[in-house]
Amino acid sequence: DAGVIQSPRHEVTEMGQEVTLRCKPISGHNSLFWYRQTMMRGLELLIYFNNNVPIDDSGMPEDRFSAKMPNASFSTLKIQPSEPRDSAVYFCASSPGTKQETQYFGPGTRLLVL
Amino acid sequence: QKEVEQDPGPLSVPEGAIVSLNCTYSNSAFQYFMWYRQYSRKGPELLMYTYSSGNKEDGRFTAQVDKSSKYISLFIRDSQPSDSATYLCAMILYGGATNKLIFGTGTLLAVQP
Repeated sequence: DAGVIQSPRHEVTEMGQEVTLRCKPISGHNSLFWYRQTMMRGLELLIYFNNNVPIDDSGMPEDRFSAKMPNASFSTLKIQPSEPRDSAVYFCASSPGTKQETQYFGPGTRLLVL
Repeated sequence: QKEVEQDPGPLSVPEGAIVSLNCTYSNSAFQYFMWYRQYSRKGPELLMYTYSSGNKEDGRFTAQVDKSSKYISLFIRDSQPSDSATYLCAMILYGGATNKLIFGTGTLLAVQP
């Protein structure tokens, strides 16, 4: 299995631009998670999908952030408009069933907003 | 006070030493406890998860949970330079509509050859 796939691996953009991060979960996994990791705040859960349905988006910082999962093999996290404080590493993870305790993480997308 | 506290380190040990990594938590309702290893510029990798108080062993790694003290530990025996990474604890509360998943901030471990 290829594991969780994320793209792009690196993104540099200017403040105000739209950013779209992509994730392909492990085949057969029903749950998908988006995280943000910074030195100051550590790893924070942004949103959690189960069977393509958003279950908990309480971690999404503000309306500039949105996430979708149109099918079981693809999810996007969009930031519009982006701000310098959004600079972080964004991880996608997936897990089988509804189990949150066995998550498999992707390699992450390093986002820098200038 | 944070719900999960973890000493950021760095922790430096010689090769072959026994390493003890720890987290404390404040919410006694947490049910599952996980340890992740994260190498530099990589995603976290699940090492172990436990449900109940007590010990769980996997090779050189032992996870220990003390729910009465709200304290969890990860022990690494015969530590190797390849164990050098950041170790993250995490815990889950399953409450139906109020599930909660929180990660510690991580402890940076360096094993010196």
